[in-house]
Amino acid sequence: GNSVTQMEGPVTLSEEAFLTINCTYTATGYPSLFWYVQYPGEGLQLLLKATKADDKGSNKGFEATYRKETTSFHLEKGSVQVSDSAVYFCALVSGGYNKLIFGAGTRLAVHP
Amino acid sequence: GAVVSQHPSWVICKSGTSVKIECRSLDFQATTMFWYRQFPKQSLMLMATSNEGSKATYEQGVEKDKFLINHASLTLSTLTVTSAHPEDSSFYICSARDWELGGDNSPLHFGNGTRLTVT
Repeated sequence: GNSVTQMEGPVTLSEEAFLTINCTYTATGYPSLFWYVQYPGEGLQLLLKATKADDKGSNKGFEATYRKETTSFHLEKGSVQVSDSAVYFCALVSGGYNKLIFGAGTRLAVHP
Repeated sequence: GAVVSQHPSWVICKSGTSVKIECRSLDFQATTMFWYRQFPKQSLMLMATSNEGSKATYEQGVEKDKFLINHASLTLSTLTVTSAHPEDSSFYICSARDWELGGDNSPLHFGNGTRLTVT
């Protein structure tokens, strides 16, 4: 079935470092892909999305490109801040009702 | 923007009792809501799809008699954990889609979750 695989965390970075969180997927067809973020003590929020191959989603300095050939949707940010510390989930839409299937989540900790 | 309200945010109950969790869409109608369960340091596992006016669709391995879902109106879905046991302790999250904004492709909005602890 459809699934999402994320790199294991935690990822610990210094402020202003470059961030990459890998995400690959297995799916039939070409699903829409998403990154969600969960800040401490808060619910999930949509960070960005891409609905077709070669689309680039971007928001708050984060970017991810839908790569059909490698079935990947890696999340990147050029310069992370302490406020980016959170858990990041890669997800795809699957099946009837377009339900979301999530990866395991990657915890990011950014230190000053 | 669209808001999904989940209540309670946390609950502690004794083993053998039942607990009801509510999920409300505050400013939109949600014909479909989704219930997830999140284990510590793990991903969100989809439990079931809740459909207004009809039976919920459960994912494989989820006990429908254990996790009762009711979606009686376009703005409210409830999850009842029946005869709770310590292994049911988890973080439960609901989500809903504002269908009028784009049908099945409209974005999902998430509640803040309910922390259930069964003693």
